[in-house]
Amino acid sequence: DQQVKQNSPSLSVQEGRISILNCDYTNSMFDYFLWYKKYPAEGPTFLISISSIKDKNEDGRFTVFLNKSAKHLSLHIVPSQPGDSAVYFCAASVGGSQGNLIFGKGTKLSVKP
Amino acid sequence: GAVVSQHPSRVICKSGTSVKIECRSLDFQATTMFWYRQFPKKSLMLMATSNEGSKATYEQGVEKDKFLINHASLTLSTLTVTSAHPEDSSFYICSASSGRFNGELFFGEGSRLTVL
Repeated sequence: DQQVKQNSPSLSVQEGRISILNCDYTNSMFDYFLWYKKYPAEGPTFLISISSIKDKNEDGRFTVFLNKSAKHLSLHIVPSQPGDSAVYFCAASVGGSQGNLIFGKGTKLSVKP
Repeated sequence: GAVVSQHPSRVICKSGTSVKIECRSLDFQATTMFWYRQFPKKSLMLMATSNEGSKATYEQGVEKDKFLINHASLTLSTLTVTSAHPEDSSFYICSASSGRFNGELFFGEGSRLTVL
């Protein structure tokens, strides 16, 4: 059974608007969560992370929100830009930043000019 | 949903030996499989891309004679770390694509290699 789920395979957003990418998890032992961005023909690049002791982490246009009771996290991109078009992967680990990563399937974001 | 299985999940070996890691797509045909290595601060480095029945395409800086990748069938790819060295100790992850347009990748659980 999948421990990290990204239920939306794709998302289309207009440039300048907010993009919200969602991720659900089932393992309550996860204590560290990450978002990766992947362009075609490249490996995923780290975007932003959050520890389970926090509920929000912000880095520029990117904010990750964590709702532990709902076992849900989301990535907000504001404002969205065409260069943000990529596949976004949610990942989680047990044991903080040193734990092995469990990935979701990814959500393809398309930002239209 | 699509499942990718990696085996073994953890392996400890002596320096100089070779270790094989398997990546299997359990319920779909993976036309392309990717191998990554995890580095500190959670960065993932793409090591190589393999297509079934053809030679793997290695990223710059990855030694193809050291990291042997075989994609013999549409459901199995293997990574063999030859003459393992302590610096090869890392977390190796595979992912597989069915070739559908959406860019979805299905990741394996990863394999933690420790070379003594």
